[in-house]
Amino acid sequence: EIVLTQSPGTVSLSPGERAALSCRASESVSSKYIAWYQQKRGQAPRLLIYATSSRATGIPDRFSGSGSGTDFTLTISRLEAEDSAVYYCHQYVDSFRTFGQGTKVDIK
Amino acid sequence: QVQLQESGPGLVKPSETLSLTCTVSGDSVDGYYWGWIRQPPGKGLEWIGYVHYSDDTIYNPSLRSRVTMSQDTPKNQFSLKLTSVTAADTAVYFCARYSRGGKYFDFWGQGRLVTVSS
Repeated sequence: EIVLTQSPGTVSLSPGERAALSCRASESVSSKYIAWYQQKRGQAPRLLIYATSSRATGIPDRFSGSGSGTDFTLTISRLEAEDSAVYYCHQYVDSFRTFGQGTKVDIK
Repeated sequence: QVQLQESGPGLVKPSETLSLTCTVSGDSVDGYYWGWIRQPPGKGLEWIGYVHYSDDTIYNPSLRSRVTMSQDTPKNQFSLKLTSVTAADTAVYFCARYSRGGKYFDFWGQGRLVTVSS
């Protein structure tokens, strides 16, 4: 089982600021197999990023992904109030898929 | 646009079987992998498994002994059965579609809260 550990648990930032969310894997993962989802309160998760850095359809370019090996990052530049949500990383290299525990982004 | 909708009982008694169905509209279930994910109240996402043409299934090892997934192509649905449930199985259950090739989840249902209680 590949364990994904996200940090920080919660981040509180102001509109216009930049958020960098970390996802660390327990073993090396090809960059083709990391995705990020956004989940707003009471909603289903929504795909943001796949293959580490490819944005899903309709996702604004404020969202970007990067990383390799065991360390991956979701960056949200120019935070907006609507970005308040929990963000999950996900690996799909292994037939046993796993998610990180999530990072909550609060907008002040 | 693909849409998924979960349906099934919202309350299940301990030791009984949880049964949920996901109805797909806007595309055929054939040719894709379909998954189930759950989220206990206030907690994170847990992958349950996937089904592909009913004879290709992979389950979370921690749930494997209790889970069955199947696909009903004529009805354009797929389903989840979880036996011998306990309070720990109380969660919102999401169905989702995998991207082509069975990689990440590109479309999700809205989720169905299932409570296990007598």
